[in-house]
Amino acid sequence: ETGVTQTPRHLVMGMTNKKSLKCEQHLGHNAMYWYKQSAKKPLELMFVYNFKEQTENNSVPSRFSPECPNSSHLFLHLHTLQPEDSALYLCASSQGWDRKNTEAFFGQGTRLTVV
Amino acid sequence: AQSVTQPDIHITVSEGASLELRCNYSYGATPYLFWYVQSPGQGLQLLLKYFSGDTLVQGIKGFEAEFKRSQSSFNLRKPSVHWSDAAEYFCAVGPDRGSTLGRLYFGRGTQLTVWP
Repeated sequence: ETGVTQTPRHLVMGMTNKKSLKCEQHLGHNAMYWYKQSAKKPLELMFVYNFKEQTENNSVPSRFSPECPNSSHLFLHLHTLQPEDSALYLCASSQGWDRKNTEAFFGQGTRLTVV
Repeated sequence: AQSVTQPDIHITVSEGASLELRCNYSYGATPYLFWYVQSPGQGLQLLLKYFSGDTLVQGIKGFEAEFKRSQSSFNLRKPSVHWSDAAEYFCAVGPDRGSTLGRLYFGRGTQLTVWP
């Protein structure tokens, strides 16, 4: 039990489908993150939310649409994806008031395959 | 800007041998440093962290890391590797002042293979 739960764990979708990834944290954190991890590539930070406000978008294509309705939940809405978007999508959270405890806590990830 | 370099993409060691994974960082102030481990298809798990004080930090699973400011390094060590340590290891630095706490900069990772 990591405190950060991602659903689904696996997802196969066609390029014309619309799906959503969900992340929930039970740690009382105020910041949440989406990362993309592709084979043979570095970990890529996609979005950062702090107190529900987006503070960072790292030039992510618009076919990825994040939503953060509250500090405990984070979604990634997917539409018209490409095969190269197949990857492990990781959600993380962190607290934002104590610099001694700035580590991020990660979920187990969603393995996305676009066909 | 902050950055992390892990010079070794892949390391292979025999079970019972000692291990050192290298990490160099670029950071303008006193860094906050982390090591994470990732098993295949899983999320990242924090092994240890450094933010101040004793430069030798102890972590979970028998790992330790030493912060050396003069070398801008934060190498991860384990005296005797177990087969279950086979995984990918990530070094990270952050956060930058003005950034969201928890906004970390990760290295590319080092894949550890353990021979029986």
